[in-house]
Amino acid sequence: AQSVTQLDSHVSVSEGTPVLLRCNYSSSYSPSLFWYVQHPNKGLQLLLKYTSAATLVKGINGFEAEFKKSETSFHLTKPSAHMSDAAEYFCVVSEAGGTSYGKLTFGQGTILTVHP
Amino acid sequence: NAGVMQNPRHLVRRRGQEARLRCSPMKGHSHVYWYRQLPEEGLKFMVYLQKENIIDESGMPKERFSAEFPKEGPSILRIQQVVRGDSAAYFCASPREGGPDTQYFGPGTRLTVL
Repeated sequence: AQSVTQLDSHVSVSEGTPVLLRCNYSSSYSPSLFWYVQHPNKGLQLLLKYTSAATLVKGINGFEAEFKKSETSFHLTKPSAHMSDAAEYFCVVSEAGGTSYGKLTFGQGTILTVHP
Repeated sequence: NAGVMQNPRHLVRRRGQEARLRCSPMKGHSHVYWYRQLPEEGLKFMVYLQKENIIDESGMPKERFSAEFPKEGPSILRIQQVVRGDSAAYFCASPREGGPDTQYFGPGTRLTVL
């Protein structure tokens, strides 16, 4: 069985400062890992995806995430926050290599607040 | 998100009524996943369908919920005799290039049960 734990339900930063959103996962197979962002009352947008090609994954809008197998972590970072980054972020795992047909398991979400 | 359409975007029902949620995947795609987002929670998988087939319904509540994806037309998520606990955002997703687990999400249908 697969699971995802987002370690912070809320993160607050000042504009221009770094962002760190933490995620730990549990998976029986080699996982695919994702970060999605959801702006208020909107759908979900894919930020980035890890398969197995490289442990450091670059996504859209300056975000990146590092896969650390020894720590079972996939933390999302950005060097400098913008006001437009304020949203809810979801860490997601998929075991497409197993029998789950691409079924995604979502973390509980981290709400990012950016102060001027 | 381009190409996955859901309607209605907002749906209000009274307890005991039926709710029908529609999802049209990206053009030419025949796979649809449905997810539910309860208040203050992440999304949870409900069902995975291909045209005319239910592949995995392990996340569907045992009663009152059903889903279909006919040969023609959108996928339908149907909730009979709605209760207040059904109030949630319902999202559908369509796989994109890169594999079945890389999914485009629709804008969602927000169901409110009065």
